[in-house]
Amino acid sequence: AQTVTQSQPEMSVQEAETVTLSCTYDTSESNYYLFWYKQPPSRQMILVIRQEAYKQQNATENRFSVNFQKAAKSFSLKISDSQLGDTAMYFCAFTVNTGTASKLTFGTGTRLQVTL
Amino acid sequence: KAGVTQTPRYLIKTRGQQVTLSCSPISGHRSVSWYQQTPGQGLQFLFEYFSETQRNKGNFPGRFSGRQFSNSRSEMNVSTLELGDSALYLCASSPPAGGYEQYFGPGTRLTVT
Repeated sequence: AQTVTQSQPEMSVQEAETVTLSCTYDTSESNYYLFWYKQPPSRQMILVIRQEAYKQQNATENRFSVNFQKAAKSFSLKISDSQLGDTAMYFCAFTVNTGTASKLTFGTGTRLQVTL
Repeated sequence: KAGVTQTPRYLIKTRGQQVTLSCSPISGHRSVSWYQQTPGQGLQFLFEYFSETQRNKGNFPGRFSGRQFSNSRSEMNVSTLELGDSALYLCASSPPAGGYEQYFGPGTRLTVT
């Protein structure tokens, strides 16, 4: 069974600073996808960034980037130039490449507060 | 494109009743997944439908069921509601090729009293 662990229940960062959220996962699969989702207080879950396990290059989306360490089964999210709108719950998620989209396994989330 | 829509957004039911929640995926998406989100258990996968067939199922009792229609819209049903079924129910749809990412709707907040 796959598991996803987020060891930081809450984090705080000042506006314009950089913050890194941690995620580790456990799987015996070699072909999979990893995601970071953001859930603001409005509750709409939003996809932030995606990483394919077969790609060595770390994914980047504007101010969001990941540090993917496959051997260590680590997938951290770095948010640069933090903005007040980044305040949200952040979930790390995992899915196995089965040829078709299937279930996501989520971590317990990290609540990020961006302050002035 | 319009996003994933879910109806109703809020629902209050009494223990023992049944409930049906609806989800309309993004146009062109044929895979629809359902998740239950609670403070205690977090986000848990319920089931996934593709082309009107259940393709994957989570570890939930048989009271939880779903279906998908030919237009890819999906419904989930919970019978004999229990207090522990109070949760945010999220629906997500996936594009037809590649990616594996899922796009979520705003959720239905179910309260069982």
